[in-house]
Amino acid sequence: EVQLVESGGGLVKPGGSLRLSCAVSGFIFSSYSMIWVRQAPGKGLEWVSSISNNGANTHYADSVKGRFTISRDNAKNSLYLSMNSLRAEDTALYFCARIVEPHHFDRWGQGTLVTVSS
Amino acid sequence: QSVLTQPPSVSAAPGQRVTISCSGSSSNIGNNYVSWYQQLPGTAPKLLIYENNKRPSGIPDRFSGSKSGTSATLGITGLQTGDEADYYCASWDNTLNAGVFGGGAKLTVL
Repeated sequence: EVQLVESGGGLVKPGGSLRLSCAVSGFIFSSYSMIWVRQAPGKGLEWVSSISNNGANTHYADSVKGRFTISRDNAKNSLYLSMNSLRAEDTALYFCARIVEPHHFDRWGQGTLVTVSS
Repeated sequence: QSVLTQPPSVSAAPGQRVTISCSGSSSNIGNNYVSWYQQLPGTAPKLLIYENNKRPSGIPDRFSGSKSGTSATLGITGLQTGDEADYYCASWDNTLNAGVFGGGAKLTVL
């Protein structure tokens, strides 16, 4: 069974840092590109960042470029999102999802909540 | 303001048909595939339609997708109360070099 489980969310002060993880199982992780999507409370989905299957190619939304870094460890079947210089507007539920090329997301985790507040 | 434009809400009676539009531009929908996602309250999004009009296994044929030019449409027939959810379109944007979602459309089954 395909599973994606996010972790690492929590309460952080503005300007702080956090690292999210997404542990996957049930499929060959190294064969798939992956994505982070976020959803602010009561708002819609926002595409955040994607990474190719071997980690060589990454893409970022303008809203997080220069502050967030996506990475992966295929040996550990894990996806990461390092978030620096966090702002109140980064407060959201962060989902990881599997990309099926060219660009749709067929399996999703349940999300981990990040709250940026003083 | 989302790059892809969807109506904030749509509604129809049980058993009826509803369509949800998604409007973009040549940098996204016009030259890339569109996918659609259903998000029931309190749950993660679920893939409904991919590559404009294909349904994953397990998705009933009551759900359909189409694309014309820079717009796409999700159609749902035989509406059920269980279809009440938020629906999002998504595509790749060649100018932004990033993915984009629509703002989401809330479906109410009256």
